[in-house]
Amino acid sequence: GQNIDQPTEMTATEGAIVQINCTYQTSGFNGLFWYQQHAGEAPTFLSYNVLDGLEEKGRFSSFLSRSKGYSYLLLKELQMKDSASYLCAVMDSNYQLIWGAGTKLIIKP
Amino acid sequence: IAGITQAPTSQILAAGRRMTLRCTQDMRHNAMYWYRQDLGLGLRLIHYSNTAGTTGKGEVPDGYSVSRANTDDFPLTLASAVPSQTSVYFCASSGEGSYNEQFFGPGTRLTVL
Repeated sequence: GQNIDQPTEMTATEGAIVQINCTYQTSGFNGLFWYQQHAGEAPTFLSYNVLDGLEEKGRFSSFLSRSKGYSYLLLKELQMKDSASYLCAVMDSNYQLIWGAGTKLIIKP
Repeated sequence: IAGITQAPTSQILAAGRRMTLRCTQDMRHNAMYWYRQDLGLGLRLIHYSNTAGTTGKGEVPDGYSVSRANTDDFPLTLASAVPSQTSVYFCASSGEGSYNEQFFGPGTRLTVL
């Protein structure tokens, strides 16, 4: 079966760095996406990785290792507005997104 | 319209009633999707459409139907609602290519009693 695993909840301090991990087992791979979802709102796109390595975009970076079925989202200089759920999704061989349950990130002052 | 709109924002529905959730996008995206999101579970695909005139079944299609008469609109119908269909429903669209992210509507919160 297809499976995306990520921690249910994480807590971090304002100004710090946090790494949210995602492991996956899917039928085929056509890229991995990270989305941010604030409570009561729609998911919004953060990043896309299809090749191994690190993609940096401002305070957010995303890493992919296809051989390990592993990705992480790195958030630097955390701000209170970063409190949200972070969703990992893999595009499978049918070009459909398989979604993880999301990691709720709590930022403390 | 800017992006994707969904209607209604929320709805309480008696079991057995028919309900259509509306979704409209103005980005001229070919692909559109319907997801449901339940606490503790990831987004689950209900139905999708790769282009106007075609639709396909996702992971959890039972009890739902869709149509895609034109590029902009992608309504989702619950023929006879059941309490297990209580959920938040998101419509999304994307452009061509696997690298294109999906854009989401604001969601419809549906409660079936």
